[in-house]
Amino acid sequence: QVQLVESGGGVVQPGRSLRVSCSVSGFTLASYGVHWVRQAPGKGLEWVSVISYDGYNKNYADSVQGRFTISRDVSKNTVYLEMNSLTVDDTAVYYCVRDPAGCSDGVCSVPGGVYWGQGTLVSVSS
Amino acid sequence: EVVMTQSPAFLSVSPGERATLSCRASQRVSTNLAWYQQRPGQAPRLLIYGASTRATGVPARFSGSGSGTEFTLTISSLQSEDFAVYYCHQYDNWPPWTFGQGTKVEIK
Repeated sequence: QVQLVESGGGVVQPGRSLRVSCSVSGFTLASYGVHWVRQAPGKGLEWVSVISYDGYNKNYADSVQGRFTISRDVSKNTVYLEMNSLTVDDTAVYYCVRDPAGCSDGVCSVPGGVYWGQGTLVSVSS
Repeated sequence: EVVMTQSPAFLSVSPGERATLSCRASQRVSTNLAWYQQRPGQAPRLLIYGASTRATGVPARFSGSGSGTEFTLTISSLQSEDFAVYYCHQYDNWPPWTFGQGTKVEIK
């Protein structure tokens, strides 16, 4: 079945960097895009970034543009989020989420279910 | 960016009663709308996708309806485990994906 497992969270000082990972199974990254969504303590859900099924399109929220970089390794079934120049406002649980539409050769299916990982906590503190 | 607005922010309901949660989109999103349940300390749990399709394993007391800009999540008879925060999410017009601010369903 479809599974996404995040890892790499932890405590980091302001201004430092951290990379979180999302290991997937039950589907191929060559057919599905993957998003990162975060949730600050006691707050709602905020979309952060996406990498498309073909790896060519990457998009970012304004709040992280220029500081965060999304990438993937299809052979390792893993998506990464490299986070630089971290601030206390980046403190959150980071979830990876599979896009609901599978795609092949530029043709995408009707969106289906939205699968989430269990999240990894990133805490930025001095 | 599509703004998602949920109402009410808080809903007090007695066990066994019906709960109706609303979500409004600032632009049409077709039926590309999901609902999630989130309990404290847990990841969001998918309840409904495609505005009205129940996810695998979701009890029949949860139902979704709507299209375009107006959506509703109905819980027909609240059970103790249903007291949680509920979010709507549009995945029609992106980036970015956008989420409602949440409705907290509390025990009356």
